[in-house]
Amino acid sequence: NAGVTQTPKFRVLKTGQSMTLLCAQDMNHEYMYWYRQDPGMGLRLIHYSVGEGTTAKGEVPDGYNVSRLKKQNFLLGLESAAPSQTSVYFCASSPLGGGAGANVLTFGAGSRLTVL
Amino acid sequence: TQLLEQSPQFLSIQEGENLTVYCNSSSVFSSLQWYRQEPGEGPVLLVTVVTGGEVKKLKRLTFQFGDARKDSSLHITAAQPGDTGLYLCAGARSSNTGKLIFGQGTTLQVKP
Repeated sequence: NAGVTQTPKFRVLKTGQSMTLLCAQDMNHEYMYWYRQDPGMGLRLIHYSVGEGTTAKGEVPDGYNVSRLKKQNFLLGLESAAPSQTSVYFCASSPLGGGAGANVLTFGAGSRLTVL
Repeated sequence: TQLLEQSPQFLSIQEGENLTVYCNSSSVFSSLQWYRQEPGEGPVLLVTVVTGGEVKKLKRLTFQFGDARKDSSLHITAAQPGDTGLYLCAGARSSNTGKLIFGQGTTLQVKP
């Protein structure tokens, strides 16, 4: 059981380049999320999805786009990378349902992105 | 605006010492979680607290949710080098969206 898998683990981009981060989960979770982690700022939610075909903006969505064409995959795209998007990106998923269980996130190992 | 304030942000202690990490907010949360993260890995859930005043213990770790569900604390007794890591608190504003608000994190170093 792999849980949440992110690819690639590392990437270096030049300003203006585009790229896509892929997240795959094998737990049949309904909800998926993309967070970014920066020193001293904890994790901030970029975009999230409450089911296949749905996406919604989080706390810091500008400069990013997402797609959830299949339930198990959640893609994060950067159309024109900027140095401010240098960060570690984490994908997470959680099951459907009310109560505390719905908020239990399983995270991937992270993708470190550097924009020069 | 950081809705969840963690303190301290950095803590370096000797093996065997006790410590407490605080997570404070002016907002009410339906539940609050504590995660631990090691370098190069994603956060891993330690505990979820749901009821105001709730106390949960996980071996040497004691977690408490404030009566008003606005704050939480993590107490570690007799810290060990294996406790070294980044500790994150995260609050949920509703019970079923999965959207969490994270604190800045507390980096703990336990020296042997």
